[in-house]
Order: sequence, then C-alpha cells, then structure tokens
Amino acid sequence: DARVTQTPRHKVTEMGQEVTMRCQPILGHNTVFWYRQTMMQGLELLAYFRNRAPLDDSGMPKDRFSAEMPDATLATLKIQPSEPRDSAVYFCASGTTENYGYTFGSGTRLTVV
Amino acid sequence: AQSVTQLDSQVPVFEEAPVELRCNYSSSVSVYLFWYVQYPNQGLQLLLKYLSGSTLVKGINGFEAEFNKSQTSFHLRKPSVHISDTAEYFCAADFGRHTGFQKLVFGTGTRLLVSP
Repeated sequence: DARVTQTPRHKVTEMGQEVTMRCQPILGHNTVFWYRQTMMQGLELLAYFRNRAPLDDSGMPKDRFSAEMPDATLATLKIQPSEPRDSAVYFCASGTTENYGYTFGSGTRLTVV
Repeated sequence: AQSVTQLDSQVPVFEEAPVELRCNYSSSVSVYLFWYVQYPNQGLQLLLKYLSGSTLVKGINGFEAEFNKSQTSFHLRKPSVHISDTAEYFCAADFGRHTGFQKLVFGTGTRLLVSP
C-alpha cells in the first residue's frame, strides 16, 4: 500500500531550537495537509498545499512556523524558535482533488523541553 | 459556524455487542463526511466516507455509517465489535465541496473501549 512517510518519528529538543519535520506524500497526490494533535485542542489544521502552492496556513502561528513544498515529493514544517507549547504530534496527510479521503502519515511526536 | 461534534468522549462496550458512535455537523452548505480511526501511536486511517448517493455507507472492518441530512448527523455503527476495535474514532467534515477548497474539520474524537 502507498504510504505517507514522515520523519523523524520522534524529536526531543530544547526550547529555542529550530525543528524541521519532513513529509513525503504519496506519489501522484496533489494535496498536502499539516495537522497538529494535542490532548487539549485535538486535531488542528496548520497548513494546506495544492500542487505545491500554499492555499491556507491560517492555522499556523506565523511568527515561528513555516511550511513549504520545495518539490512534489517533499513537504516541510519548520518551527523556529520552538517553545514547550509546541509539544504535540504533527501529522502530514496527502490526497487528490479527484478522490477525497486523505492518507495520513504516522506523525512526528515533538517534545520541547 | 462550521463544526463537527462528537458528544461521546468515550464509549465502553463488551465484545460482540453492537456499537454506535455519534457525529453531528453544523453547516449551511452540503458537506463531505468521513470517519477515521486512530490506533495508539499511529496515524489516522480512513474508515469510510460519504460524498454523495446512498446515505448508507459501508467501510472497512465491518463499519458502516448513515448520513442523515435532516438531522445533520453521520453516526458510525458496527453490529458486533472485537477487542481489536479499541481505538480513537474521529468524525470529520469537508466544508469546501462547493468551492473545491478542501479543508477537513475534525471532531474531538470518541474513544471506543471494547472489553471481553
């Protein structure tokens, strides 16, 4: 089965450090999402790309978060500087505009100490 | 406001018993509806989806859901659960079907606990 691959699976970092999370969407999928999952807030949409162009990043703290798709096989989510409140599981998901039903990666569990 | 509500945070049930997980949405326009399952330390897996057509949708692992437009509901059901169904279940809605602007909004999740 085709999979969305996220790296790293786990990341522990100190407050103030830069964190980069990577996502390889399924080949042929033209839509990529970044979600954040916490106990308090549940699943929150951070960013949304279609054909590599950002369509919505309104859920993302602009001062410290950035999301990019340098090419069709890679999506990145960066946090600089990281803060303890950023501790969460970050999921990437991909899909197509023709076939709804997005495929999620296994997530990156981020702990900021 | 467009939202998805899962009223039950946790549903305990015995093995082989039927179960229903409730989901309601709030929207003035038509939506696409989804159910996802999340096992511990894993990502979300699509169980089933309603886009159009028959209001009864069958998914994987023996689950099904019924879309009820008048009730704005999309409840998930399974006639006989297994221990392995223990997981977190998320209802989600895409409110952008008319604009093509896909944006899944998730409910807060329901933890299904199946005991022997």
